[in-house]
Amino acid sequence: DAGVIQSPRHEVTEMGQEVTLRCKPISGHDYLFWYRQTMMRGLELLIYFNNNVPIDDSGMPEDRFSAKMPNASFSTLKIQPSEPRDSAVYFCASSSHRGPEAFFGQGTRLTVV
Amino acid sequence: QKEVEQDPGPLSVPEGAIVSLNCTYSNSAFQYFMWYRQYSRKGPELLMYTYSSGNKEDGRFTAQVDKSSKYISLFIRDSQPSDSATYLCSLGADKLIFGTGTRLQVFP
Repeated sequence: DAGVIQSPRHEVTEMGQEVTLRCKPISGHDYLFWYRQTMMRGLELLIYFNNNVPIDDSGMPEDRFSAKMPNASFSTLKIQPSEPRDSAVYFCASSSHRGPEAFFGQGTRLTVV
Repeated sequence: QKEVEQDPGPLSVPEGAIVSLNCTYSNSAFQYFMWYRQYSRKGPELLMYTYSSGNKEDGRFTAQVDKSSKYISLFIRDSQPSDSATYLCSLGADKLIFGTGTRLQVFP
């Protein structure tokens, strides 16, 4: 398996624009997590899904953020409108009910100017 | 109070030194305890995990959990320059919560 695949790897956008981050989890994994990493706050859990259903979105910063998982092989994290304080590295991770290990993608480095 | 506290470092040690990395946590519901390693511009990768109090050893790495004190540690023996990375503790029940990470630099 190729592992968790995220796209794009880098995104630079202007304040106010919509940003969509994409994730393909490892085949057969039934949990999917979205994290955001910054120097100040570390790795923060934004939302996670189990069997494509959102279970806990308490980490989503505000209504500008939304996440979907239309099927077992694809998820998106959308920010609309984007703000400079959203600049961070966004990671997607997946895991299986058979074990606690989460496998991370390479991340999307988002810069909002 | 954050659920997981971790000293961000940076920690700089000479090659061959013993390194001790630590985290404290507040939630007794955590069931498993993990350490991830993250190289620059990469995603975190699992190093070790355990479910119980006590020690678990894997080569040069030892993970230690003290549930009564809500304290976990990672020891690295004979540290190598290739160990230079950020180390994140992670605690989980239904979801994984991470510490902020400790940046480690091992110099030759």
